[in-house]
Amino acid sequence: GESVGLHLPTLSVQEGDNSIINCAYSNSASDYFIWYKQESGKGPQFIIDIRSNMDKRQGQRVTVLLNKTVKHLSLQIAATQPGDSAVYFCAEQYGGATNKLIFGTGTLLAVQP
Amino acid sequence: DTEVTQTPKHLVMGMTNKKSLKCEQHMGHRAMYWYKQKAKKPPELMFVYSYEKLSINESVPSRFSPECPNSSLLNLHLHALQPEDSALYLCASSQDLGSYEQYFGPGTRLTVT
Repeated sequence: GESVGLHLPTLSVQEGDNSIINCAYSNSASDYFIWYKQESGKGPQFIIDIRSNMDKRQGQRVTVLLNKTVKHLSLQIAATQPGDSAVYFCAEQYGGATNKLIFGTGTLLAVQP
Repeated sequence: DTEVTQTPKHLVMGMTNKKSLKCEQHMGHRAMYWYKQKAKKPPELMFVYSYEKLSINESVPSRFSPECPNSSLLNLHLHALQPEDSALYLCASSQDLGSYEQYFGPGTRLTVT
């Protein structure tokens, strides 16, 4: 289920199921998007990225989909494992001299054994 | 070596104390970043250094003072902090400002009493 407001949106899945984490980004000029995984007590860890001239990119067990029409990004994790439990942030970046990363609000993925 | 290290891991300081956070990378990256992350929130950019020069200051209060003594090191000097400054302080680096992928350190958990 999901909860919002004072709490992080949470996605609860069973081990072995596929997970889909969604993100809405804000700037139509953003040309690069990244998914980060942040485990408790650690810094964000790069998972996968996609440029704005693509709509899909696959990694090992992860796929990122980009829909520029509705400014939507998703992360699909296949065969979710307990080690996937973490907070997942999408981030957008637009070019120019600064390349600032703008993070989304984050989703807590809880994998039930 | 794709690691960004940060010290200390935890820091508790009073409002009248002066302390420093340290960050180090040996990837030859020329852009380094400080982010602040409150609980259950995404990281927020504070400062960006490029080739050891301050490139971006996101209107951060002067009680936070960054320093980049060389291309591998980034410090954040803290003085007269407030309890609301308690947060996880993350350091990151990238090849340069034009590079998209940022590598994050594990962070320093700061508590201001």
